[in-house]
Amino acid sequence: EIVMTQSPATLSVSPGERATLSCRASQSVSNSLAWYQQKPGQAPRLLIYGASTRATGIPARFSGSGSGTEFTLTISSLQSEDFAVFYCQQYYDWPPWFGQGTKVEIK
Amino acid sequence: EVQLLESGGGSVQPGGSLRLSCAASGFTFNTYAMSWVRQAPGKGLEWVSSISNDGGSTKYADSVKGRFTISRDNSKNTLYLQTYNLRAEDTAIYYCAKDPRDWGWIYFDYWGQGTLVTVSS
Repeated sequence: EIVMTQSPATLSVSPGERATLSCRASQSVSNSLAWYQQKPGQAPRLLIYGASTRATGIPARFSGSGSGTEFTLTISSLQSEDFAVFYCQQYYDWPPWFGQGTKVEIK
Repeated sequence: EVQLLESGGGSVQPGGSLRLSCAASGFTFNTYAMSWVRQAPGKGLEWVSSISNDGGSTKYADSVKGRFTISRDNSKNTLYLQTYNLRAEDTAIYYCAKDPRDWGWIYFDYWGQGTLVTVSS
């Protein structure tokens, strides 16, 4: 099975700054990689699929990149509503495991 | 508007059973695969099970294989998760999630709000 590892576990960022989150797969997943955002007490929300395609209604400040085993989610200018936990998930092979999450908190 | 409404959660003793349901609306239910994803208190997301659009294909995480059964009734636009022999480590919020395709590569474009399952003596 493919193990997903996210880093860092916690990222402290000031509003308006850029945030860069990493996700690594234990073997190649091509571009079969999704990113989700989860705010406290809420269900996750799909942000990115296909490693770089924004889901419907997702602001352009969210961007995804990478392929193979290394992926990045970038939030270009953090807004107050962006502080949350972010998960990556591979869907190249079964089981479709998630990473352990990166918490983006206010600095 | 896509809506997924889970129900059936609750408190149960170890070894007990629960049947979770997810009522879907706002999309053509029989066109898409569906899944269950859970989240233990304070923990990350864990995929549990998926079912193809026609119910003909299913997949399970090893942690629930043989104890959980996923099914769907396309005439009622409803997804189910029958759980048996529940363990303390099954305690979690269980989310129903829609897949963007009929089967195959699974990711989740819409999520319900979840139903809480607590397994404790």
